[in-house]
Amino acid sequence: GQSLEQPSEVTAVEGAIVQINCTYQTSGFYGLSWYQQHDGGAPTFLSYNALDGLEETGRFSSFLSRSDSYGYLLLQELQMKDSASYFCAVRDQENNDMRFGAGTRLTVKP
Amino acid sequence: EADIYQTPRYLVIGTGKKITLECSQTMGHDKMYWYQQDPGMELHLIHYSYGVNSTEKGDLSSESTVSRIRTEHFPLTLESARPSHTSQYLCASSEEGGRWWNSPLHFGNGTRLTVT
Repeated sequence: GQSLEQPSEVTAVEGAIVQINCTYQTSGFYGLSWYQQHDGGAPTFLSYNALDGLEETGRFSSFLSRSDSYGYLLLQELQMKDSASYFCAVRDQENNDMRFGAGTRLTVKP
Repeated sequence: EADIYQTPRYLVIGTGKKITLECSQTMGHDKMYWYQQDPGMELHLIHYSYGVNSTEKGDLSSESTVSRIRTEHFPLTLESARPSHTSQYLCASSEEGGRWWNSPLHFGNGTRLTVT
């Protein structure tokens, strides 16, 4: 089975950099994904790490270390519109289904 | 761009009623999912499907059923609605060909269900 842990809330100011961590316990998974969800909206895919290291997509970067069972999402040059919940997720190797963490609510203040 | 549709968007229904939440996608994706999410909380997997005539149970499946007769359609049925079913229900799909393991999920906008 899978167990993912991430902080429940993070607050930062506009223009700052914030890192959202995700630690996991898993019997086997294909990779770590990140999704963004605004209040009342649907989750949308942000990034995916299949291998250890850093993946960069514009202002967002994601990192994975399989040896440490740890990953993070890095958001740079924060904007007010980045206020949302961020979920890490893994695709289980046994069932091929997608399991999500409890989500981190990011609040960006002026 | 992802095209996955859920209806109704909002539903208020009395206890004991049978309801079906509709989900359709036009991307030809084989894999489809149903998740339940309370406001500000994590997503719980209810059911998923690998393709036509395939249905699998997730963590919260005991009080609902799904069917997959057509690739594009994956309805969720609650036989007897209860107040504990009040929640948001999210349908998603993903591509299963090629490098399916890193294929992202595309979500619908959800159905907000209230059982009175």
